Amino acid sequence: TAGITQAPTSQILAAGRSMTLRCTQDMRHNAMYWYRQDLGLGLRLIHYSNTAGTTGKGEVPDGYSVSRANTDDFPLTLASAVPSQTSVYFCASKKGTGEHNEQFFGPGTRLTVL
Amino acid sequence: GQNIDQPTEMTATEGAIVQINCTYQTSGFNGLFWYQQHAGEAPTFLSYNVLDGLEEKGRFSSFLSRSKGYSYLLLKELQMKDSASYLCAVQDSNYQLIWGAGTKLIIKP
Repeated sequence: TAGITQAPTSQILAAGRSMTLRCTQDMRHNAMYWYRQDLGLGLRLIHYSNTAGTTGKGEVPDGYSVSRANTDDFPLTLASAVPSQTSVYFCASKKGTGEHNEQFFGPGTRLTVL
Repeated sequence: GQNIDQPTEMTATEGAIVQINCTYQTSGFNGLFWYQQHAGEAPTFLSYNVLDGLEEKGRFSSFLSRSKGYSYLLLKELQMKDSASYLCAVQDSNYQLIWGAGTKLIIKP
């Protein structure tokens, strides 16, 4: 049972380069999320998708884009990376958008932008 | 604005009891979650409260008072493996989670 997988595990990226972080879930969850986690701060929502074909902006969307072509995949793209995007990125999914549905997290991608 | 406060760090002794507090001010409320996160790992779900009162689940219990904007996570019979960060998150009116910065719990033998 894979749950949620993310790739790569870690990456060092030169500023100005683009990169796509991959996220795949096999639980047939409708909702998916991308967060970044920085020391001393809570998880911050970048983008979300309540169902395949729809996406929305979270608290810190600038510099990031997402797509949701199908239920399983939710890639996050950095078009032109900047050092402030150095962070740990977590993808999460949830069965539905209702009340008592917990989010399940992938193992994370540690990204360093130099 | 939206705000969730938790202590940054707490220390407790193996076998003891510890209470981690969380206070919140958010636009709308659709429940409060507690997650555990070991260093270098992903957060994992511990508990969910939407009504006032205490929810017990083994060694862990979670309490909610909506009128006070307050919750706590109670960990009993502490074990070394409980050393982790504990994250409080409130589900807002759009069913999005607003996260606290987390409480790092250090367990000493």
